[in-house]
Amino acid sequence: DAKTTQPPSMDCAEGRAANLPCNHSTISGNEYVYWYRQIHSQGPQYIIHGLKNNETNEMASLIITEDRKSSTLILPHATLRDTAVYYCIVRSPNRDDKIIFGKGTRLHILP
Amino acid sequence: GAGVSQTPSNKVTEKGKYVELRCDPISGHTALYWYRQSLGQGPEFLIYFQGTGAADDSGLPNDRFFAVRPEGSVSTLKIQRTERGDSAVYLCASSLDPGRVGETEAFFGQGTRLTVV
Repeated sequence: DAKTTQPPSMDCAEGRAANLPCNHSTISGNEYVYWYRQIHSQGPQYIIHGLKNNETNEMASLIITEDRKSSTLILPHATLRDTAVYYCIVRSPNRDDKIIFGKGTRLHILP
Repeated sequence: GAGVSQTPSNKVTEKGKYVELRCDPISGHTALYWYRQSLGQGPEFLIYFQGTGAADDSGLPNDRFFAVRPEGSVSTLKIQRTERGDSAVYLCASSLDPGRVGETEAFFGQGTRLTVV
């Protein structure tokens, strides 16, 4: 079973920041938080991951709370192409640990 | 560079027939995953290979489903006696080394849409 909880859907106006929350209250000390997104009719695409420090790359920022029980993915200037289902996943860097998807958040970017 | 390639992109088969779905991972990636996805749902884990061996096949729904990766690169998902409920998009992913931080991200193919009629 997925170890994360996400809202089923969210709307965001084009050009604004999209903030997608994720709860992972049972996360273990060695588990990382990963985010993927899936645009319609495509395979999932990796976005970002982090352990406890905030992370930023060219796609997004990841803010992890100090207790690590929740996180927020931030798309700083959302565009229509960011419309997708966003999945938050926790996983340890262990060769035996597989990637388990939940239902994700369907993000609609409104023009 | 080349990403994960899945063939065919679409497959229509009759109930009861046997099908094979192929996945070509990114060269050098040791880990390979199979998922299936039904409409409106997240990808459902099927099986995970580390090298040539199946590290975890706990997601295979029953013994009609089988997957191989004989040389540690290309993998084939095999479904016997297909049923209409097997209709879904079958996704394959690979990663460089899931045990090393920084090499764990998975790259997905575009999937094979299987329709059993």
